[in-house]
Amino acid sequence: QKEVEQDPGPLSVPEGAIVSLNCTYSNSAFQYFMWYRQYSRKGPELLMYTYSSGNKEDGRFTAQVDKSSKYISLFIRDSQPSDSATYLCAMSAGAWEYSSASKIIFGSGTRLSIRP
Amino acid sequence: DTGVSQDPRHKITKRGQNVTFRCDPISEHNRLYWYRQTLGQGPEFLTYFQNEAQLEKSRLLSDRFSAERPKGSFSTLEIQRTEQGDSAMYLCASSSDSKETQYFGPGTRLLVL
Repeated sequence: QKEVEQDPGPLSVPEGAIVSLNCTYSNSAFQYFMWYRQYSRKGPELLMYTYSSGNKEDGRFTAQVDKSSKYISLFIRDSQPSDSATYLCAMSAGAWEYSSASKIIFGSGTRLSIRP
Repeated sequence: DTGVSQDPRHKITKRGQNVTFRCDPISEHNRLYWYRQTLGQGPEFLTYFQNEAQLEKSRLLSDRFSAERPKGSFSTLEIQRTEQGDSAMYLCASSSDSKETQYFGPGTRLLVL
């Protein structure tokens, strides 16, 4: 079983729809949660960053973390064709010591397509 | 541009050849990471530098792979005797000591024929 599970999609929705993307995880040590957007043949771009449980909103994007259920979500309101990309959830336990790596564990990504 | 940069963006090589990639992190970032991403998968951690010290390596990093960060600024990743299974996108990321967020470069796409 992977540490982070993410439905690969593809997910296709009409322009203007609300999009819901989700991930589940198994490692209770994770406390930093991120969503990255990746366009084809490009590097991942950080969209949202959340520490511990709760909600965070940034424009049309809302990230939710439920640590009790080990479940995170990303909501996109008023979706646009330019939102078409692969969305990667990611998480880390943080760097416990100065010398330790804050390794990010990624989901496999969900391909999203917004139809005009 | 103050983001993470990587060079080259694309590399095609024949099996058995050596290749070297370069990463220039965001200038004030002390931490530098290398990841590998294959088609349809998320990036996987390879190795990590704190300044010039390589402090952690993944089991994915076989003895054909070596990474350096000689002056604590740019880093290089070398793959010796490339194999077709090495074909992937190699991503570099950097972060500062005080923040957990990692910023990724555009990646180097490697194809081994």
